[in-house]
Amino acid sequence: DGGITQSPKYLFRKEGQNVTLSCEQNLNHDAMYWYRQDPGQGLRLIYYSQIVNDFQKGDIAEGYSVSREKKESFPLTVTSAQKNPTAFYLCASSHGQAGEQFFGPGTRLTVL
Amino acid sequence: GNSVTQMEGPVTLSEEAFLTINCTYTATGYPSLFWYVQYPGEGLQLLLKATKADDKGSNKGFEATYRKETTSFHLEKGSVQVSDSAVYFCALSDHRGGADGLTFGKGTHLIIQP
Repeated sequence: DGGITQSPKYLFRKEGQNVTLSCEQNLNHDAMYWYRQDPGQGLRLIYYSQIVNDFQKGDIAEGYSVSREKKESFPLTVTSAQKNPTAFYLCASSHGQAGEQFFGPGTRLTVL
Repeated sequence: GNSVTQMEGPVTLSEEAFLTINCTYTATGYPSLFWYVQYPGEGLQLLLKATKADDKGSNKGFEATYRKETTSFHLEKGSVQVSDSAVYFCALSDHRGGADGLTFGKGTHLIIQP
């Protein structure tokens, strides 16, 4: 079955440590996205990539980094520069401009 | 910039009641509009969509009509079930060549009581 996988589902890290969240899709989608979800805030765009080896900052990119070396994969690194990293992180993909986005199950990151 | 405003929750209804969740938007041009549903601890699932004015999206008994004159995309269902309890997000895509991420409302938590 085609879909988007995110791992792990729950992640705990100590303050000051970098952590990488995985996102893989087998939908053959060109575009991929990372969102952050906080209670009462809706979803906010962190980074997006419309094609391999290219990505753009979203609304809240500070303290995060990404790579897009393969079409199927779009990992997100939460760095120690991110002031409030505890959140629910969602990865999505789409065919490209204006298409609906398909979401993974999410990773809940807790920084202790 | 783009924005989506939807009614704050939680919205609590009895089973078989009629549901309306209001959504209005601000965007340039002619955006596509979406409703997503999120069950506890899960990602978002696309519920329905509409890509042009007067289009009606429908799925699983839910409906929403793209009203350009009122910039609205209200979600409705004639008879809700306990299994409809979830958070519902209204979203838009304005088809810009740059930031293609969706713009989301803050979500409406729906609770259906038996």
